[in-house]
Amino acid sequence: GDSVTQMEGPVTLSEEAFLTINCTYTATGYPSLFWYVQYPGEGLQLLLKATKADDKGSNKGFEATYRKETTSFHLEKGSVQVSDSAVYFCALTSGSRLTFGEGTQLTVNP
Amino acid sequence: DTEVTQTPKHLVMGMTNKKSLKCEQHMGHRAMYWYKQKAKKPPELMFVYSYEKLSINESVPSRFSPECPNSSLLNLHLHALQPEDSALYLCASSRPFVENTGELFFGEGSRLTVL
Repeated sequence: GDSVTQMEGPVTLSEEAFLTINCTYTATGYPSLFWYVQYPGEGLQLLLKATKADDKGSNKGFEATYRKETTSFHLEKGSVQVSDSAVYFCALTSGSRLTFGEGTQLTVNP
Repeated sequence: DTEVTQTPKHLVMGMTNKKSLKCEQHMGHRAMYWYKQKAKKPPELMFVYSYEKLSINESVPSRFSPECPNSSLLNLHLHALQPEDSALYLCASSRPFVENTGELFFGEGSRLTVL
């Protein structure tokens, strides 16, 4: 079945550091890809999405590009802030279901 | 502020109690979902309602009973739960599947503790 693999965490960075969280997927067909973020004590929020190959999703300084040839959707941000500390989930649509990766805990220190 | 509202935010119940979790959205979405999330894990799909009809039940034990009274409301009735059912229960909504590219709107969750 369809699946999502995220880089293992947790990830700890200093403020203004560059962030990359790797995500690869296995899917039949052409799924849409997503990054969701979960701040402490909250539900999940959609951070960005891409619906077809070579699309770039972006939001709040975060970016991810749908790479069909490498089946990847890596999340990047050029300069992280303390407020970016959260758990990040890569996900794909699988029929009427959303399949999540295991999540990556990001902590940004001042 | 989330547009999906869940109540209560916290619930503690004994194994013999009956309680309910409630979810409300006013975005006109016709698909609504219940997810269960354990600590440091991704959400696990439990139920999906589409146009107020149950369309997906992920083999959830019968001690969890969903209900969708109308297009804005979703309930999860709880009875005879086990301590391992303690988790964060997330409600979500979305446009109907045929229009939806997977964007779900989540509530903040109801944190359930079963003693």
